[in-house]
Amino acid sequence: DAGVIQSPRHEVTEMGQEVTLRCKPISGHDYLFWYRQTMMRGLELLIYFNNNVPIDDSGMPEDRFSAKMPNASFSTLKIQPSEPRDSAVYFCASRRTGGPNTGELFFGEGSRLTVL
Amino acid sequence: GDSVTQMEGPVTLSEEAFLTINCTYTATGYPSLFWYVQYPGEGLQLLLKATKADDKGSNKGFEATYRKETTSFHLEKGSVQVSDSAVYFCALTWNAGGTSYGKLTFGQGTILTVHP
Repeated sequence: DAGVIQSPRHEVTEMGQEVTLRCKPISGHDYLFWYRQTMMRGLELLIYFNNNVPIDDSGMPEDRFSAKMPNASFSTLKIQPSEPRDSAVYFCASRRTGGPNTGELFFGEGSRLTVL
Repeated sequence: GDSVTQMEGPVTLSEEAFLTINCTYTATGYPSLFWYVQYPGEGLQLLLKATKADDKGSNKGFEATYRKETTSFHLEKGSVQVSDSAVYFCALTWNAGGTSYGKLTFGQGTILTVHP
């Protein structure tokens, strides 16, 4: 089975531009998570969904960030307008509630965002 | 709320040295416990896990034992290799009846560098 797929792998943009990051979770997984990782702040949970419904978005930094999950196989994280302090690696991860691997989180390879 | 505390890094060792990375947690009930590893330029991946007290997780020569009495899950390896250089994260998730729910709570990560 394919793992969690993220795109783009790298994005360089200018301040003020809109950025959209995409994620395809593993088929059959009912949880999807968006994380941000920087040297200064480490790994931060931004938002997570269960069965396509946002459960906790308390980690979203501000109104410039938004996330959607229109169906079980696709999610987006959008930043509008982007700022240099948004530069980070953004990870998507998924897992399923039950089964032998219950609790195990599967991560994508990340999207490295640089805002100039 | 739930929390995970890891020993401060970075940790630098010579090849074949013994490794311990301490992890303690605060949680209600009896969570599932995990160690994740992140190699340079990659996403996090599961290293090992334990789902109940006194369980020992093991993989690739690494071990960790779920100690309820000390609320700890320390990671150990008897002889590290250069290829073990990575960032290690301790994590927990709520567990009810053998099924995990909700998000994983991660520690801040410990950078390990192994020199030849």
